[in-house]
Amino acid sequence: EADIYQTPRYLVIGTGKKITLECSQTMGHDKMYWYQQDPGMELHLIHYSYGVNSTEKGDLSSESTVSRIRTEHFPLTLESARPSHTSQYLCASGTLWGNTIYFGEGSWLTVV
Amino acid sequence: KNEVEQSPQNLTAQEGEFITINCSYSVGISALHWLQQHPGGGIVSLFMLSSGKKKHGRLIATINIQEKHSSLHITASHPRDSAVYICAVILGGSQGNLIFGKGTKLSVKP
Repeated sequence: EADIYQTPRYLVIGTGKKITLECSQTMGHDKMYWYQQDPGMELHLIHYSYGVNSTEKGDLSSESTVSRIRTEHFPLTLESARPSHTSQYLCASGTLWGNTIYFGEGSWLTVV
Repeated sequence: KNEVEQSPQNLTAQEGEFITINCSYSVGISALHWLQQHPGGGIVSLFMLSSGKKKHGRLIATINIQEKHSSLHITASHPRDSAVYICAVILGGSQGNLIFGKGTKLSVKP
């Protein structure tokens, strides 16, 4: 079983609010990812990291930001939420030189 | 054209039927994942393949690197197999990022 956790699982917030989605893994993985997935649609990479102090933007343009101060923690922040940010956000992690990947349970965000 | 194509997009089967989901890709890869996503969102990797065939219970996954094609088979399907199955390829090279197919929504009726 994967040791990767996301909080909150479900969140409804108002437009303009700041929100941080948390992702933690206890497997010591260097690679961590954030994906955005609208219902019934494919996953899109929005941010990734290959280790502490390393962060990159993914293929899908996103107004969110991430940080990687500790190996196990990869939070995603929206400074000012908008209804267009309503989506599911999935965190994942993997080893630097391997091909395995583990996903968190996902965070469903609704901005009203 | 997407770099990872899955078919079919939707699949409805009767319990007990043999199911095949196909994945074709057009990029160089180091490995391929078959992922399962249940309603509610969580994703689990069922298989990771770089060559040949793998079997786990009623699930079988195959890959043909030369033809850039992979298949996921489910034998004796069951309603609990109902989920979205996603093919994801790991790009060759040092970064190893994933590219996902759009998924196949499987519904198995009792």
